[in-house]
Amino acid sequence: GNSVTQMEGPVTLSEEAFLTINCTYTATGYPSLFWYVQYPGEGLQLLLKATKADDKGSNKGFEATYRKETTSFHLEKGSVQVSDSAGYFCALSDKAAGNKLTFGGGTRVLVKP
Amino acid sequence: DGGITQSPKYLFRKEGQNVTLSCEQNLNHDAMYWYRQDPGQGLRLIYYSQIVNDFQKGDIAEGYSVSREKKESFPLTVTSAQKNPTAFYLCASSIGGTNQETQYFGPGTRLLVL
Repeated sequence: GNSVTQMEGPVTLSEEAFLTINCTYTATGYPSLFWYVQYPGEGLQLLLKATKADDKGSNKGFEATYRKETTSFHLEKGSVQVSDSAGYFCALSDKAAGNKLTFGGGTRVLVKP
Repeated sequence: DGGITQSPKYLFRKEGQNVTLSCEQNLNHDAMYWYRQDPGQGLRLIYYSQIVNDFQKGDIAEGYSVSREKKESFPLTVTSAQKNPTAFYLCASSIGGTNQETQYFGPGTRLLVL
């Protein structure tokens, strides 16, 4: 079956530091890949997505590249802000599995001023 | 404004009671989903519906029930058979069909058992 593995948190950074959150996946078909962000006490917001190999998703300074050869979709941001403190969830959607989303366990990020 | 609304934000349940969580969307989406999130964990799919009057079990459907009588509404009932109902419940929707993959989430309902 499909699965998503992402690095465990919490990740604590200083403002303006570089952020990387690793995400790898296992899928039977050709999935689309997503990063969602969850601020405390709220629902999930779509951060970015990529639908095929070598696609790069980007939004709000965050980027992730769909790497089929390493089955990875790592999230990066060059200079984080305190407002980036949140939970980050990697997910995949596989047409072979009815387009249901499979989520990783989430990574909590805390940015200190 | 288009979006997904969930009510209430907090819900308290006594042992042995059924409770119903509301989810409404005005995005004209065909597909709707219910997820459960436990502290420090990812989301697990409870039920989903790809069209009105039809729904399927997700990975953890036991102790839950749903209905989909209207396109814009997908209420979730947490029954007394659900032994560990305390969690954060998230509703989502997507366009449906071949483009259903991007899901948009509501703000969530936190259920606490007294």
